Amino acid sequence: DSGVTQTPKHLITATGQRVTLRCSPRSGDLSVYWYQQSLDQGLQFLIQYYNGEERAKGNILERFSAQQFPDLHSELNLSSLELGDSALYFCASSVEPSGGTGELFFGEGSRLTVL
Amino acid sequence: GQQVMQIPQYQHVQEGEDFTTYCNSSTTLSNIQWYKQRPGGHPVFLIQLVKSGEVKKQKRLTFQFGEAKKNSSLHITATQTTDVGTYFCAGPADSNYQLIWGAGTKLIIKP
Repeated sequence: DSGVTQTPKHLITATGQRVTLRCSPRSGDLSVYWYQQSLDQGLQFLIQYYNGEERAKGNILERFSAQQFPDLHSELNLSSLELGDSALYFCASSVEPSGGTGELFFGEGSRLTVL
Repeated sequence: GQQVMQIPQYQHVQEGEDFTTYCNSSTTLSNIQWYKQRPGGHPVFLIQLVKSGEVKKQKRLTFQFGEAKKNSSLHITATQTTDVGTYFCAGPADSNYQLIWGAGTKLIIKP
């Protein structure tokens, strides 16, 4: 158990819809990262928050947005969903202010299926 | 742009055979991290290498960081069924210091 909690574990929705994925980081971790992993593919960095503020942006579509709340949990909002958005979405957390400096702890992921 | 290339994409081995995956970065890295993702699971941190030429061992796993800090390898001796999964390397991007991930090498044990 990494200590990172993601909900929901599975989500099936239709094209054009909007969903929200939720992540609670490990206790004490200030950084939250969102990654997208398409079937049998690598990990694509979407966005990072550190202590409530956006720290870095990766290949995140304009239809996607995220935020980190004062209690440090984070939400990833995906809107106007397309078939190609079907993927596993991972949240990770770390103590470090940047993803490149230390261990990332990953949640179990939210599997999104867009029909 | 900055890339981390990882080969091979797949490696099929008999149980007991060795396994190696290689990572090559287009730029010098300050460190490189390795993660393992079991089938249906999430990535789990294995190790971080920082020094040029560094070699670290974890039981049957040997990790190396090249002298130029642009390449790295993970070698597993005498694979076991518990080693099955995808192994990823990742290094910090120059621009925002987020991790750039290799595509992963999937270790498959032949039946």
